[in-house]
Order: sequence, then C-alpha cells, then structure tokens
Amino acid sequence: NAGVTQTPKFQVLKTGQSMTLQCAQDMNHEYMSWYRQDPGMGLRLIHYSVGAGITDQGEVPNGYNVSRSTTEDFPLRLLSAAPSQTSVYFCASSYSWLAGAQPNTDTQYFGPGTRLTVL
Amino acid sequence: AQSVTQLDSQVPVFEEAPVELRCNYSSSVSVYLFWYVQYPNQGLQLLLKYLSGSTLVESINGFEAEFNKSQTSFHLRKPSVHISDTAEYFCAVRANYGGSQGNLIFGKGTKLSVKP
Repeated sequence: NAGVTQTPKFQVLKTGQSMTLQCAQDMNHEYMSWYRQDPGMGLRLIHYSVGAGITDQGEVPNGYNVSRSTTEDFPLRLLSAAPSQTSVYFCASSYSWLAGAQPNTDTQYFGPGTRLTVL
Repeated sequence: AQSVTQLDSQVPVFEEAPVELRCNYSSSVSVYLFWYVQYPNQGLQLLLKYLSGSTLVESINGFEAEFNKSQTSFHLRKPSVHISDTAEYFCAVRANYGGSQGNLIFGKGTKLSVKP
C-alpha cells in the first residue's frame, strides 16, 4: 500500500491564482480530511469527508473547496489564492469517522504534506 | 466540542536526560487520545494512542503516556532522550461517544530540542 499520497510537494502561486492540491489513499478509508499547519498554530481542520459524496466544513474552511467523488480521492481547491493561505497542507485518512468504530481502525494516517507559498 | 492545550511550546533538554511534554484536554464526552510526532520537514507519524484499557501506553521507541481522567491530562514522557528525538510533538483528541463527530483536534505542538 502507498498509504496517503499528496501532490505536489511544493507550489508557489501568485495572489488570485487557483489550484488544486491532490490527495489519494489506497486503504479503502471512509474518512478523509485536510489540515493546514502554521507556526505556533498546530494543525487546523479545513474540510473533511465521511464517505464518497459527503463533505463538511472544519475549523477554517473559507477560501477552500473540496469534493469526494470516489473513496480514494479528496482534492482541495483554492479558488483565489491569498497570502494568508501560505501554509503546509496535510491530507489524512482513517477507516471511519464514527466514534465507537472498532478502535484499532481509528488511527488517522497522514500524507507527506504540500508546502504552498502565495506571493 | 473538544480542545487540547499543550502547555509548553518549546522544551530544550540535554541528551540522556528525562523529558515530559504536557498535554491537557477538554471534552464533554469520552475521548481517544493521541500523540503524533513530526520530524523536520516531514509529515506526522502516530507515536502512541490511548483508546481504552490500561491508562499507561507505550511506543516502540521508549516514549510513554499516561491517561489521567481526573486531571484530563495525557502527558508524554521519556526517561532518557536521544538527539534523534528532536522533533515537534502534537497531542490530539477525538470523541469516542457513538454518534459524535469524530474529527481529530490538535494542540499547537511542542518542539523538543535535544542537545548534546
């Protein structure tokens, strides 16, 4: 298994440009999520999905869109990039989002991250 | 809703000294607790987790954490650190009550710096 993969690893955008960060997992996980990591802020949840066709907002969703057309893929779209979106973005997945699911399948697995700079 | 407080943003320590990274959480329901580690320029890796049972959990590289329900804490400890333990450590919680939203909530991280 490749686990959770993210592309690209690095990206530089100009203000106002749009782009899509790709995330894929090959573990047949129901739950996928996107976080952003900023210095001193830890990881903050942007959007998440509990299954194909189902998405919801996290703590910091503004400026980002997601879709989940397949179980494997969960792309994150920046509609009009702003310097405040300069960050490291992590995708994660786990077997299930439901509390009370079998505990051994509850661990979230993280991708290697995408470092995004918006000028 | 859940929240996590990591009490120290940076912890400098000498090699072979003991270390404790503190984590407190707040939740109205029972939680699962996790510690993740992030080595420089890498993604997050699960270090250890508490789901149920014994309140003391251990990792393969000598770290341990103890779930203290009365103090709502999940502090991470290692009796003797190595240079290679230099990393940022994140405490995280997730609700374990059936039907509750199961998103992982992170603390702001603690940077452990091990000096020779």
